[in-house]
Amino acid sequence: QVQLVQSGAELKKPGASVKVSCKASGYTFTSNFIHWVRQAPGQGLEWVAFIGPSDGSTKYAPRLQGRVTVSRDTSTTTVYMELSSLTSEDTAVYYCTRRNGQTQNFDYWGQGTLVTVSS
Amino acid sequence: EIVLTQSPGTLSLSPGERATLSCRASQSISSNYLAWYQQKHGQAPRLLIYGASNRATGIPDTFSGSGSGTDFTLTISRLEPDDFAIYYCQQYGSSPRTFGQGTKLEI
Repeated sequence: QVQLVQSGAELKKPGASVKVSCKASGYTFTSNFIHWVRQAPGQGLEWVAFIGPSDGSTKYAPRLQGRVTVSRDTSTTTVYMELSSLTSEDTAVYYCTRRNGQTQNFDYWGQGTLVTVSS
Repeated sequence: EIVLTQSPGTLSLSPGERATLSCRASQSISSNYLAWYQQKHGQAPRLLIYGASNRATGIPDTFSGSGSGTDFTLTISRLEPDDFAIYYCQQYGSSPRTFGQGTKLEI
């Protein structure tokens, strides 16, 4: 069965960077784009970025451009999302999610990783 | 970017009643690329509807989506206790993908 398993919660100081991982299994890793979506406490959903696992192509949310980098390791079927120059506004649960190739929608989600930015 | 506005912000209903949730876009969504997700507390979102009106795998037929252009609706024909959650619409017709702010469906 398809699974996306994310790394554990992180506590970071302002100005630091965080790298969250998302290990995919149960399907052909290179067949589906992986997106990242975040949710601040008590708030709605915000799209962050995506990566095409087969060629490593990426696209980022304009407001995060320059601070976010998404990468992948095809040998371990793992996708990474790194966010730098953290501020308290980056405190959120970060989800990885798989884009279904036919419907173009997010059909499977990771369990979420809480990133807390606090001094 | 396309801004999605959901209404109402909170909807208070009882099990067995019908729920109607609205999502309005700031500009027309190409190919009706509009989806609805359900999110329960502490859980990841779950895809309900894609392409404005297509139910995702395993979603009961009490959920239906309609609309086109800039106005879309999610209808739950008969509420079950498990349906009380937050619902988000999302457009994927243009980049960046954007979500509405959510409608909380409460008892």
